[in-house]
Amino acid sequence: TQLLEQSPQFLSIQEGENLTVYCNSSSVFSSLQWYRQEPGEGPVLLVTVVTGGEVKKLKRLTFQFGDARKDSSLHITAAQPGDTGLYLCAGVQTGANNLFFGTGTRLTVIP
Amino acid sequence: SAVISQKPSRDICQRGTSLTIQCQVDSQVTMMFWYRQQPGQSLTLIATANQGSEATYESGFVIDKFPISRPNLTFSTLTVSNMSPEDSSIYLCSVSEQGLGYNSPLHFGNGTRLTVT
Repeated sequence: TQLLEQSPQFLSIQEGENLTVYCNSSSVFSSLQWYRQEPGEGPVLLVTVVTGGEVKKLKRLTFQFGDARKDSSLHITAAQPGDTGLYLCAGVQTGANNLFFGTGTRLTVIP
Repeated sequence: SAVISQKPSRDICQRGTSLTIQCQVDSQVTMMFWYRQQPGQSLTLIATANQGSEATYESGFVIDKFPISRPNLTFSTLTVSNMSPEDSSIYLCSVSEQGLGYNSPLHFGNGTRLTVT
């Protein structure tokens, strides 16, 4: 069973549109991280959220951690072709010391 | 942040053979992990590489199939043994400099793309 489910699995949008990616679980996490992966490379960290209800902004990207620390969302405003990639949420369960990745969302932004 | 060199970057191997993947970090790190990424999919944790002791494997992965070494704080190897086409994947080494309990990020190598024929 997959610990972290992401939706949608695939997303293809026009440049300038907004989008939201969801990361859901039935488990509680001490923290959640979001990564972006481009072809031929390893994932690169975008943000870490730690506190329930926390909202972090990174330019056009807004990340939110659910109040119960079981889910998170990533919202991109005015998407650009450079945002194209595989977006992965990843969580550390309370008391654990390893990171489990979500199912992934593959985003394509069309110029 | 830590710089990770992983090699080989890709290989094509025949079934029944074994391949050893090396991961070298430019600084001493607390935690090292090995992940597998099957085509078009997300990352699955294979094991945590423990310095000077046996690796800790996740459910579905065993030492006989994926032996791991970590002789020091900057180097680890993953061997994919007795390969079959189902082992065709990208294998990724990753490190955490402080330990995940400090919410520190994982840094990844560029991966090894393995194709088994």
